[in-house]
Amino acid sequence: DAMVIQNPRYQVTQFGKPVTLSCSQTLNHNVMYWYQQKSSQAPKLLFHYYDKDFNNEADTPDNFQSRRPNTSFCFLDIRSPGLGDAAMYLCATSPKEGYNEQFFGPGTRLTVL
Amino acid sequence: QQQVKQSPQSLIVQKGGISIINCAYENTAFDYFPWYQQFPGKGPALLIAIRPDVSEKKEGRFTISFNKSAKQFSLHIMDSQPGDSATYFCAASRPNNDMRFGAGTRLTVKP
Repeated sequence: DAMVIQNPRYQVTQFGKPVTLSCSQTLNHNVMYWYQQKSSQAPKLLFHYYDKDFNNEADTPDNFQSRRPNTSFCFLDIRSPGLGDAAMYLCATSPKEGYNEQFFGPGTRLTVL
Repeated sequence: QQQVKQSPQSLIVQKGGISIINCAYENTAFDYFPWYQQFPGKGPALLIAIRPDVSEKKEGRFTISFNKSAKQFSLHIMDSQPGDSATYFCAASRPNNDMRFGAGTRLTVKP
């Protein structure tokens, strides 16, 4: 089945230790998103790609970076995780720009010790 | 600035009852209004969605009512079941894929 896959599902890191979360999709969708969802809160968009065109939300901290080496894969890099970065990180895809529906992966739960 | 306001924050309904969740938005550029269902530890899954050219959309036990002039929309879950217990998010999206979520409603359906 075509889907959005996130690895790992659970990630534990130490304060200040860089961490990378990955997302892959078999849907061949053009648009990919990264959201941060803290406990009992709505998903908050961090950034998204239209193909390789990167779009950063104005309030996304510089500590968060992203890479999309090809259509299928997208990575979220947190350069120096703080305790406040502990959250569920959700990857989503959409077929193309202007097509509203987004398909979410299962998320990666990040714990910062 | 919260672009989509959702209420209530939590809702408890008896099995077989009707669950109603409301959302309001400000930006008239939004043209797509989905509802997502999220179970603990899982990503949100699209439940049902509507565009502003219709006032109601029904899929099984789930209905969206949309009031364009009031800039409000709501989700109705008929014959609510314990398996419907989850967090529900409304959202609003602009044509450029910019989607904004409501704060979520935690629904509990009691047997």
